[in-house]
Amino acid sequence: KAGVTQTPRYLIKTRGQQVTLSCSPISGHRSVSWYQQTPGQGLQFLFEYFSETQRNKGNFPGRFSGRQFSNSRSEMNVSTLELGDSALYLCAGGTEGATGELFFGEGSRLTVL
Amino acid sequence: GESVGLHLPTLSVQEGDNSIINCAYSNSASDYFIWYKQESGKGPQFIIDIRSNMDKRQGQRVTVLLNKTVKHLSLQIAATQPGDSAVYFCAEKVGGSYIPTFGRGTSLIVHP
Repeated sequence: KAGVTQTPRYLIKTRGQQVTLSCSPISGHRSVSWYQQTPGQGLQFLFEYFSETQRNKGNFPGRFSGRQFSNSRSEMNVSTLELGDSALYLCAGGTEGATGELFFGEGSRLTVL
Repeated sequence: GESVGLHLPTLSVQEGDNSIINCAYSNSASDYFIWYKQESGKGPQFIIDIRSNMDKRQGQRVTVLLNKTVKHLSLQIAATQPGDSAVYFCAEKVGGSYIPTFGRGTSLIVHP
């Protein structure tokens, strides 16, 4: 079956701009989580959506937001970009249960200049 | 083990050797643990998991050991191959939580 698809894979923005990233999980996976990965901070949890509802949220400012559609596809948006937002943004799909593996996409590499 | 700075701890081994990657987890209430492998340019990939009612679990060439007394997790890779070169993350979950907390990662370098 198809894996997790994230688009775009690479993008460059300037400070103050906004960006939208997209994630399509594996068919049947209704939970989608987003993570920010940087060399200094590792994998930091942003938020998780299930059935179009944000179920969990990490400790990121309000500039980071997301949503999920009825087909489980998810988007995350970062407004008023800062240099420190440069990172690899990973999404992961999973099943409903509280245990079990996450299926990650290859990420969207964001560079803020 | 866990990193305390900007750089990941690195483990260098020769092809064919056994590798042991360590992880100290933080929450004594965690009851589910997972190891992920992240190759360059890719997202993390599930390797193996273990519940807190176990202290050892084996997969194909991999074994995870859990010591709840000292909150320590290890991943053993037998007969390490160049394709095992990657960053390895441990992750922990507290019962009922949907969100794992990831460790900082360890870089494994396998020399042919």
